[in-house]
Amino acid sequence: DADVTQTPRNRITKTGKRIMLECSQTKGHDRMYWYRQDPGLGLQLIYYSFDVKDINKGEISDGYSVSRQAQAKFSLSLESAIPNQTALYFCATSDSVGGYTFGSGTRLTVV
Amino acid sequence: DAKTTQPNSMESNEEEPVHLPCNHSTISGTDYIHWYRQLPSQGPEYVIHGLTSNVNNRMASLAIAEDRKSSTLILHRATLRDAAVYYCILRPPGTGGTSYGKLTFGQGTILTVHP
Repeated sequence: DADVTQTPRNRITKTGKRIMLECSQTKGHDRMYWYRQDPGLGLQLIYYSFDVKDINKGEISDGYSVSRQAQAKFSLSLESAIPNQTALYFCATSDSVGGYTFGSGTRLTVV
Repeated sequence: DAKTTQPNSMESNEEEPVHLPCNHSTISGTDYIHWYRQLPSQGPEYVIHGLTSNVNNRMASLAIAEDRKSSTLILHRATLRDAAVYYCILRPPGTGGTSYGKLTFGQGTILTVHP
């Protein structure tokens, strides 16, 4: 099994719909992150969490919300999806100084 | 957050060494230097990281300048599977302070490997 598992892998949704992307990790790390990547660009941080009770906004949090259900689970929600939220979404986990481990990504298309 | 500067693209031939440069002149004394790579439609993959000393692992070597204002990722024998976007990122320590050990991605270097 992968260290970081994201579901679904692909999703097409309609404008205005609520959608949740899920992430789970088996690394045992406290820190989890959600990033977004647009075509040809680098990753942008949406939200990050250092433990179950600590959640912080990243660079581009507008239009998104998150929930840290457990140490191993961190979900990202789009309350009312819009077409410019079409992107690749990556979840990651890390300890305090070492390398991040990323999931395989969710390709989201909002039509 | 301190920024890094990388060439937009580099090319190499298969089985030759590749030296990917990164400049980070505003690095703070506690920033770690991280390298990741990303293949098309995949998540970034951790390659290596270091603080002051050169580092080696099974994937690559990291050479850090004495003043820490630049670093070089070394792939000893490039293969076609090494073709990817390589990101050099400064990671503040994750044990306090406002940056909390976050990774901030730039545009990276697109590495093309020719057979």
